[in-house]
Amino acid sequence: AQKITQTQPGMFVQEKEAVTLDCTYDTSDQSYGLFWYKQPSSGEMIFLIYQGSYDEQNATEGRYSLNFQKARKSANLVISASQLGDSAMYFCAMREGQWYAAGNKLTFGGGTRVLVKP
Amino acid sequence: DTGVSQNPRHKITKRGQNVTFRCDPISEHNRLYWYRQTLGQGPEFLTYFQNEAQLEKSRLLSDRFSAERPKGSFSTLEIQRTEQGDSAMYLCASSWTGGGSTNEKLFFGSGTQLSVL
Repeated sequence: AQKITQTQPGMFVQEKEAVTLDCTYDTSDQSYGLFWYKQPSSGEMIFLIYQGSYDEQNATEGRYSLNFQKARKSANLVISASQLGDSAMYFCAMREGQWYAAGNKLTFGGGTRVLVKP
Repeated sequence: DTGVSQNPRHKITKRGQNVTFRCDPISEHNRLYWYRQTLGQGPEFLTYFQNEAQLEKSRLLSDRFSAERPKGSFSTLEIQRTEQGDSAMYLCASSWTGGGSTNEKLFFGSGTQLSVL
């Protein structure tokens, strides 16, 4: 079974509108972390946002927010007020276990390509 | 802070040749990770170091692959007897685990794109 599933291979979004990228995960660990990364065409993975499994509040970082629904095992990324520079691949990732013990070995989903239209 | 640097950016080689990639992490970072990303897929974990110690290797890392971090600073990833299936982007990431952080944030380099002909 896939540990991280991103069901949207590609999306168009109008500039200044919000977009939601779906991510579901599968783990039996109680302690885990969920991440979103952005990968522009230049190739580097850029960290966007992190949610710990014990965090009760949804994470927010500027225009990015993570809609964490633990019971449904989903961690959707919401980008508000899309900008042309948001056009990129977006990856959801999970770390199982505690980072200080197990290392931050991430399992990534297949990604969602976002194209922002002017 | 110059970020994570990877060299070369691109490498084209013939099947059966050996190749070596280098990663220079952010200077104070004690952990260093290698990932591999094939076209249209997310990155896959290969191995990671804490200082100079290699703490874990994925089963994706066959005997033809070896990684080192001799002085706990830069790292090299060598692939011997390359195969066409080795063609991929090889990404390096580093992190700092001190300072009472509640999470380990990975900083990625831009990767080395390997093409095996």
